[in-house]
Amino acid sequence: DSGVTQTPKHLITATGQRVTLRCSPRSGDLSVYWYQQSLDQGLQFLIHYYNGEERAKGNILERFSAQQFPDLHSELNLSSLELGDSALYFCASSVDPSGGPDTQYFGPGTRLTVL
Amino acid sequence: AQKVTQAQTEISVVEKEDVTLDCVYETRDTTYYLFWYKQPPSGELVFLIRRNSFDEQNEISGRYSWNFQKSTSSFNFTITASQVVDSAVYFCALSGGSGGSYIPTFGRGTSLIVHP
Repeated sequence: DSGVTQTPKHLITATGQRVTLRCSPRSGDLSVYWYQQSLDQGLQFLIHYYNGEERAKGNILERFSAQQFPDLHSELNLSSLELGDSALYFCASSVDPSGGPDTQYFGPGTRLTVL
Repeated sequence: AQKVTQAQTEISVVEKEDVTLDCVYETRDTTYYLFWYKQPPSGELVFLIRRNSFDEQNEISGRYSWNFQKSTSSFNFTITASQVVDSAVYFCALSGGSGGSYIPTFGRGTSLIVHP
């Protein structure tokens, strides 16, 4: 158990819908990262938040957005869902990136299925 | 740009065999970090090891060992006396660079199947 929690574990929805994935980092970790894992694209970085502020963006679609709240939990919002958004979404946390590449600890993931 | 190549897509072995998973990386950074993660069939990503570019000592942890060679830009992972529970997808990752966010680049993963 990494100490990172993600809810829900599974999510089935229809095209065009909007969903919210939630992540709670390990106690004391200030950074939260979101990744998408699909069979054809592998593990793709989406976005990074540090202590409530956005730090870096990766291959995140405009239909997707995220935020990190004062209690450091984070939410990833996916809207206007398409079939191709079906994937495993991971959240990871680390202590502090400013001191150098820090080890990221991953949550169990949310499996999103868009029908 | 950073790149991680795991050329072995899938490896199949019989229990108790030794197996080595290859990882080759590319980076222009002089300081960088390498990682290995394990993703068992249950889906979660489990951190195994982190190594910085200044530490070329090999590491052994039980049946796991890692060989880091800067000269060949490789960070290979060996499992000795493999077990069925080692069956998983293994990812190598690379972090490094300037700026406030050190985002790792992951390889495509190597699927290891250990048969009883």
